[in-house]
Amino acid sequence: AAGVIQSPRHLIKEKRETATLKCYPIPRHDTVYWYQQGPGQDPQFLISFYEKMQSDKGSIPDRFSAQQFSDYHSELNMSSLELGDSALYFCASSPGTYGNTIYFGEGSWLTVV
Amino acid sequence: KNEVEQSPQNLTAQEGEFITINCSYSVGISALHWLQQHPGGGIVSLFMLSSGKKKHGRLIATINIQEKHSSLHITASHPRDSAVYICASTGNQFYFGTGTSLTVIP
Repeated sequence: AAGVIQSPRHLIKEKRETATLKCYPIPRHDTVYWYQQGPGQDPQFLISFYEKMQSDKGSIPDRFSAQQFSDYHSELNMSSLELGDSALYFCASSPGTYGNTIYFGEGSWLTVV
Repeated sequence: KNEVEQSPQNLTAQEGEFITINCSYSVGISALHWLQQHPGGGIVSLFMLSSGKKKHGRLIATINIQEKHSSLHITASHPRDSAVYICASTGNQFYFGTGTSLTVIP
């Protein structure tokens, strides 16, 4: 069965550069969530989208932006990267918003040097 | 204050033991998720609960909506169960618990 696909799986960027992470949800899933997990830390909710509109916003820095496209894939854009942005970025998808099983991607490792 | 509290934070068990991880939440929820994360790995959704009890293999999850409490049980634990277990609530937003790091010793 198709799963949540994230790309790239690993990314190395320098400080002040820009990075874009992509998330392809499971087919027919209209909701996408983004999480950030720093080394040894719990996942932190960043932002979510439902039907291509932002539905919830968590602790997403102003330097980050995200959107969901017409094919329901989502991109997380991170600018002016800082060392502290080095983390595992998870994407998850679900059919609808509340109370549905959520499927997680394997994550994208971002290292800022 | 975290909206979702888990206990214990760390747990070491001998292979074969029965394990219980507890989760309490303070917000109104539509569902509660139990998630598993192996070291260096992605997050796997184990259960989604809105009431009652669910069982999958050696894993059992229960939820008491009135008491705002959920438990994850592992029967006949095995070293491959060693992972971080996280409960997360969904309502208006996701709230993650602090996680329970489980180590099962052969």
